[in-house]
Amino acid sequence: EDQVTQSPEALRLQEGESSSLNCSYTVSGLRGLFWYRQDPGKGPEFLFTLYSAGEEKEKERLKATLTKKESFLHITAPKPEDSATYLCAVTTSGTYKYIFGTGTRLKVLA
Amino acid sequence: GAVVSQHPSRVICKSGTSVKIECRSLDFQATTMFWYRQFPKQSLMLMATSNEGSKATYEQGVEKDKFLINHASLTLSTLTVTSAHPEDSSFYICSARPVGGGPDGYTFGSGTRLTVV
Repeated sequence: EDQVTQSPEALRLQEGESSSLNCSYTVSGLRGLFWYRQDPGKGPEFLFTLYSAGEEKEKERLKATLTKKESFLHITAPKPEDSATYLCAVTTSGTYKYIFGTGTRLKVLA
Repeated sequence: GAVVSQHPSRVICKSGTSVKIECRSLDFQATTMFWYRQFPKQSLMLMATSNEGSKATYEQGVEKDKFLINHASLTLSTLTVTSAHPEDSSFYICSARPVGGGPDGYTFGSGTRLTVV
């Protein structure tokens, strides 16, 4: 069965304290891996798409990487406005449905 | 960028009544729209997939007669919660897959907070 797991479930960081969020996946035929940010009471906001192992994408303080088994979302020198839930999702060959991970709730303290 | 408009953002209804939620893609055509439900501090749970002009495909355990989905055009899908009960109270979110796919993932609506009293 296709599965996506995110860790940690929750993370508290001091402003400027860099860290990484993990998204592990076990799927039959990865089509794409997606990172989203979700603020409370809002819909997810697209961050990155990764398609093949070794691929990396960057946007401001965020950098996403992909291996054959997992993806990392690296947050460099985070600010309080980076506080949100970060969701990882995959699509697999044969379907366009997202399989979501459980999310990581990030809190960055000033 | 691609925008999906979802309305209403909040709705309170009485038990036994029906509620309709609209999801519109504003600047692109959507072959497929997805409807999710999200409980507090949990991830998104896919309820159904709708393709323009055809019947929706529901995930296992989702009552198709209770959650009616219509995708009448390439820019509009609706979710109707029929005979709503307090246990249907939740956050409902739609997303849209553009015609041709697109490399930047699917765009999500801003969500609808449904409270059934």
